[in-house]
Amino acid sequence: GAGVSQTPSNKVTEKGKYVELRCDPISGHTALYWYRQSLGQGPEFLIYFQGTGAADDSGLPNDRFFAVRPEGSVSTLKIQRTERGDSAVYLCASSLDGRGSGNTIYFGEGSWLTVV
Amino acid sequence: DAKTTQPTSMDCAEGRAANLPCNHSTISGNEYVYWYRQIHSQGPQYIIHGLKNNETNEMASLIITEDRKSSTLILPHATLRDTAVYYCIVLRGYGKLIFGQGTELSVKP
Repeated sequence: GAGVSQTPSNKVTEKGKYVELRCDPISGHTALYWYRQSLGQGPEFLIYFQGTGAADDSGLPNDRFFAVRPEGSVSTLKIQRTERGDSAVYLCASSLDGRGSGNTIYFGEGSWLTVV
Repeated sequence: DAKTTQPTSMDCAEGRAANLPCNHSTISGNEYVYWYRQIHSQGPQYIIHGLKNNETNEMASLIITEDRKSSTLILPHATLRDTAVYYCIVLRGYGKLIFGQGTELSVKP
């Protein structure tokens, strides 16, 4: 597609449930990133994939959060046993290559997650 | 990565140039300066980035001082649709962007 695509755009789930959020990066982009943005705050880094591998997962808040990118394209962010504090906008971004510097990084519109 | 300092808010008259400053006094030689903006309820929008030289694209111009300790984003003819939070970020390597509080730009008629 023309840009980074994220689904669903909105998700309401009950506390304790499992959630999957999907990201389809720009075609040909080998680097993919997940960020989380809480109300009134700037986006915060969660994880970076270069190809299929998670090169930096230092931003994942705890072991309830997990992300995969099995074929080096689409990525899924998985949240287990959701808590009300997980409510946020989850943003995906991609760039042509994460190796080296000066790459342009493009964001999607985000998935708004509300845990009730 | 180096930290940045931006004014919390700025106003600009519609049709005038908006000049958004950013200080990054601890920037290192291989760190790029990136600018993004975020309009309410939307994902961050890439504007421009540069290393040493001034850069211009269809959206904006980026002026980086010779010592690279500060930069200015210029929107040449601001419109109401340019009202947003503007983030200045310095980055080396892969896209682990560290977003600060940014500058809330209000373009007024």
